[in-house]
Amino acid sequence: GDSVTQMEGPVTLSEEAFLTINCTYTATGYPSLFWYVQYPGEGLQLLLKATKADDKGSNKGFEATYRKETTSFHLEKGSVQVSDSAVYFCALGDAGNNRKLIWGLGTSLAVNP
Amino acid sequence: DVKVTQSSRYLVKRTGEKVFLECVQDMDHENMFWYRQDPGLGLRLIYFSYDVKMKEKGDIPEGYSVSREKKERFSLILESASTNQTSMYLCASSYPVGGTDTQYFGPGTRLTVL
Repeated sequence: GDSVTQMEGPVTLSEEAFLTINCTYTATGYPSLFWYVQYPGEGLQLLLKATKADDKGSNKGFEATYRKETTSFHLEKGSVQVSDSAVYFCALGDAGNNRKLIWGLGTSLAVNP
Repeated sequence: DVKVTQSSRYLVKRTGEKVFLECVQDMDHENMFWYRQDPGLGLRLIYFSYDVKMKEKGDIPEGYSVSREKKERFSLILESASTNQTSMYLCASSYPVGGTDTQYFGPGTRLTVL
């Protein structure tokens, strides 16, 4: 069945460092892909999404490109801030039921000043 | 602005108690979801509902039931709470706008069962 694999955390970076969080997927068809972020003590919120191959989602300095050939949707940011410390989840739309999302396990990011 | 609220941020219950977790959305969304979140296990879908009085089991429905009597409200019920149901519970809602729907989350309820 469809699945999402994220790089394991925790990831620890210094402020202004470059961030990459890897996400690869296995899916039938061409699902929509999502990155969600969960700040400490809060629920999840959508960070960005892409609905078709080669689409680039972007928000708050974060970017991810839907790569069909490598089945990947890696999250990147050129210069992280302390306020980016959070847990990041990659998800894909369930081809069998497009109301549902299939989730990665999450990657914890800590940014030190 | 999208708003999903959950009845409690923190809840402490005893083993065997009946527990109700309430979720309300103000966006007229058709779909609502209950997840639990545990360290190392990510988000796991318990139940979801795509219309009033309609529900489908998710990946881990055992020990839980749900109720959706009104479109804006989706309740999660633990009939007889057990310690292994200690967890963070997240509610979400979504609306179909072509393709897969973006889900909007509440702040979560951290439930401890003693």
